[in-house]
Amino acid sequence: EPEVTQTPSHQVTQMGQEVILRCVPISNHLYFYWYRQILGQKVEFLVSFYNNEISEKSEIFDDQFSVERPDGSNFTLKIRSTKLEDSAMYFCASSEPQGVNTEAFFGQGTRLTVV
Amino acid sequence: AQKVTQAQTEISVVEKEDVTLDCVYETRDTTYYLFWYKQPPSGELVFLIRRNSFDEQNEISGRYSWNFQKSTSSFNFTITASQVVDSAVYFCALDPTGTASKLTFGTGTRLQVTL
Repeated sequence: EPEVTQTPSHQVTQMGQEVILRCVPISNHLYFYWYRQILGQKVEFLVSFYNNEISEKSEIFDDQFSVERPDGSNFTLKIRSTKLEDSAMYFCASSEPQGVNTEAFFGQGTRLTVV
Repeated sequence: AQKVTQAQTEISVVEKEDVTLDCVYETRDTTYYLFWYKQPPSGELVFLIRRNSFDEQNEISGRYSWNFQKSTSSFNFTITASQVVDSAVYFCALDPTGTASKLTFGTGTRLQVTL
């Protein structure tokens, strides 16, 4: 069964460092998303991406964040200068072209720890 | 603005008991979609169900059933004859587009099933 794959599963980084989280969406999907879950809290929408551009973003997704689809398979989330409060589980998701039965498939997450 | 409320933070039951997880939502959209996701201890988000606002029929899938009541803005989830493997955090979520492109999640209910 096709699945969304995220690497690494766990990343530890020092405050102020740049970090790139990687995702390989399901191959025929055209919509890509990043969500964040601070430990013990709810899952929060960060950004959606379609046709090589951001289609929507939340207030959390400030200038420190950027997304990119550098090739035909990867979808990345970059945090330019990490802060302690960026420590969270980051989920990538993808979905097919919009339709009545579209759903987002989530990856297993990357746990980011900023120290 | 949209909001999803899961008032039950944590529920503990003994195996084989039935358990209902509550979800109440707020939205001004006339068309919207409701979801339930399961997050086991391993951390990934597992899709369970999607329901659109025009379909108020209850749904049953094995031991799982969902009760959607538009009049009370609720979308409750019942597990019949619970099992230890059901132990997880369960999230209810709302999306206006049906594409899961901007899910608003509740804070989750942690279900602990013991022998």
